Amino acid sequence: DGGITQSPKYLFRKEGQNVTLSCEQNLNHDAMYWYRQDPGQGLRLIYYSQIVNDFQKGDIAEGYSVSREKKESFPLTVTSAQKNPTAFYLCASSTLGKGGSSEQYFGPGTRLTVT
Amino acid sequence: QQQVKQSPQSLIVQKGGISIINCAYENTAFDYFPWYQQFPGKGPALLIAIRPDVSEKKEGRFTISFNKSAKQFSLHIMDSQPGDSATYFCAASIKGSSNTGKLIFGQGTTLQVKP
Repeated sequence: DGGITQSPKYLFRKEGQNVTLSCEQNLNHDAMYWYRQDPGQGLRLIYYSQIVNDFQKGDIAEGYSVSREKKESFPLTVTSAQKNPTAFYLCASSTLGKGGSSEQYFGPGTRLTVT
Repeated sequence: QQQVKQSPQSLIVQKGGISIINCAYENTAFDYFPWYQQFPGKGPALLIAIRPDVSEKKEGRFTISFNKSAKQFSLHIMDSQPGDSATYFCAASIKGSSNTGKLIFGQGTTLQVKP
C-alpha cells in the first residue's frame, strides 16, 4: 500500500515543549515538503527537501526545524520558538520531473494543539 | 508576484448545478496549475492539473479552463453532487533550473452542494 503516512493524527503539547511530527513515504519520491494550514487559509510552505541531507526554508520556517537523513523520511520539529504552533500540519512528496513541475501528493495530516 | 488569488472564498450550489472557482496569478514563469480537493480533517488530494500549452482540460465532471493572456484559470464542476462538498485549492508552480516543485497555493474555496 503505497503513500505518505503522518503520525500521530492528533498531538497535544504544553507550551514551551518541542514536538516532532513524523512523515514517511514509500513512493520513492525525491522531494518532500511540510505545510502548515490554519482555518480558512491556504497552505503555507514551512520547509522542503529535494535530496537526502539537504533542505531549504520555505515561507514560514521560523520556529521549525527539519532533517532528511533518509529518502523516505522528513520529520518536522516544532520548537518552543514558534509563536503560534497550533495548526494542521501537512507533509507532501513529489518526483522532480525534468523540465517541469511534478504532482505533489499529501499525507493525511497531523493536528497539533499547544496549550 | 508570487501570489495566487482565489475566489470566491465560499460557494453554495444546488445539486446538479455548475460550480465555478476562479484563480488569478501574476508571475508568467508559472508553468503548472493543479487543483486540489480537501475534505475536513484530511490531506488535500490532487484533482486535476493543467499546463499553459493547453486552454482546457477535462476529467469526468471536472474541467480546468486556462486563459494565458489574462493569467487566469478556473475549475468547473459540472452536475455538482453533495459528495463534492469540500474545500478546493488552486496552486501554481514556478519552472526553474532547480525544479524544486514548490507550489504556491490560493486561499481555498469552501464548496457546499445542497441536495
